[in-house]
Amino acid sequence: AQTVTQSQPEMSVQEAETVTLSCTYDTSESDYYLFWYKQPPSRQMILVIRQEAYKQQNATENRFSVNFQKAAKSFSLKISDSQLGDAAMYFCAYKRGTGTASKLTFGTGTRLQVTL
Amino acid sequence: GAGVSQSPRYKVAKRGQDVALRCDPISGHVSLFWYQQALGQGPEFLTYFQNEAQLDKSGLPSDRFFAERPEGSVSTLKIQRTQQEDSAVYLCASSLAGRGSYEQYFGPGTRLTVT
Repeated sequence: AQTVTQSQPEMSVQEAETVTLSCTYDTSESDYYLFWYKQPPSRQMILVIRQEAYKQQNATENRFSVNFQKAAKSFSLKISDSQLGDAAMYFCAYKRGTGTASKLTFGTGTRLQVTL
Repeated sequence: GAGVSQSPRYKVAKRGQDVALRCDPISGHVSLFWYQQALGQGPEFLTYFQNEAQLDKSGLPSDRFFAERPEGSVSTLKIQRTQQEDSAVYLCASSLAGRGSYEQYFGPGTRLTVT
């Protein structure tokens, strides 16, 4: 079974600074997808960024970028120029690329606090 | 357009009662997922529909949990004889397709409290 581990329960960053959230995963599959989701206090989960395992290039979305290390099974999220609105729970998630098992497997989350 | 909606947003049930949670996915989305999120945890998969077919129910914790999507759109998650350990937020998500990197769009969730 696939597992996703987020070892940082809480992180804090000052506004305008950069922060990196860690995620490792375990899988025997070669075809899969990785995601970072943001869950603000209102609870609605929002996709931040996604990475296809077959792509060597790291995904970027504006201030958000990932460092995908396939051999190390590591998938960290970097948030640049942090804003107050970035404060939320961040979940790393894994999805198989084959078969009908299309569920997301989530980590336990990292709570990000943004301070002035 | 409208996102995924869920109702009710909050539900308090006495132990032993049956509850029904509703999910309205984004129109045209083939795939629908239910997740359970305990306090302070990440969501955990319960079940998956492709149109009206329930293709994966491996995450349902017991036979007290039942889900359906009879016409391939709205879905209902039913919990019979609720127990305190059923207290959690139940999230519904839909996507254009199940396979691939298609984004799953989440609803706001239903917070179930069993007293």
